[in-house]
Amino acid sequence: QITLKESGPTLVKPTQTLTLTCTFSGFSLNTRSVGVGWIRQPPGKALEWLALIYWNDDKRYSPSLNSRLTIAKDTSKSQVVLTMTNMDPVDTATYYCAHFRPNYYYMDVWGKGTTVTVSS
Amino acid sequence: DIQMTQSPSSLSASVGDRVTITCQASQDISHYLNWYQLKPGKAPKLLIYDASNLETGVPSRFSGSGSRTDFTFTISSLQPEDVATYYCQRYDNLPLTFGGGTKVEIK
Repeated sequence: QITLKESGPTLVKPTQTLTLTCTFSGFSLNTRSVGVGWIRQPPGKALEWLALIYWNDDKRYSPSLNSRLTIAKDTSKSQVVLTMTNMDPVDTATYYCAHFRPNYYYMDVWGKGTTVTVSS
Repeated sequence: DIQMTQSPSSLSASVGDRVTITCQASQDISHYLNWYQLKPGKAPKLLIYDASNLETGVPSRFSGSGSRTDFTFTISSLQPEDVATYYCQRYDNLPLTFGGGTKVEIK
């Protein structure tokens, strides 16, 4: 059974860097074609895809946020970490991590999400 | 980027009603479309993949159809536990994009 859980700060100040961790089980990021990604949902708004990392360390980012995002994996800990620099109140959202179905660009299992508020 | 236009943004229907949500892509995306269910405090759930395939374990009252630019999601008989927000998502290529969501409530 695949499970994912997001963790990180609930409150960050504007201009700070956000670091979120996705801890997963039920699969390995050493396995060919496996990927883990991040998606967010601002309050009252639609979902937005942020980033994706594959088993072979191939990384993809949303073009609109590319300059602010870094995704990395630690296969020994079964974790994927997302950092987002220069946080702004518009980045207030629920952040989800998700398992990508092998060989497809879509998420088949998600975590419950973690809420991040950006405020001074 | 390819834009996804989802409608309606919200709807209210009675238990047992047939509910239909549409999603239109700004370009041909073939069959590369999914539907997700989001409930507050819960993990989002994949319901339909490849436009019309029911994900394992998902009740058969949920269905999807369509191809190229026009897609439809249907709940054949609305149940109280179906109160949620539903999103379409295209996955023909990166960046992935979602529709604006449809909030479904019980009348």
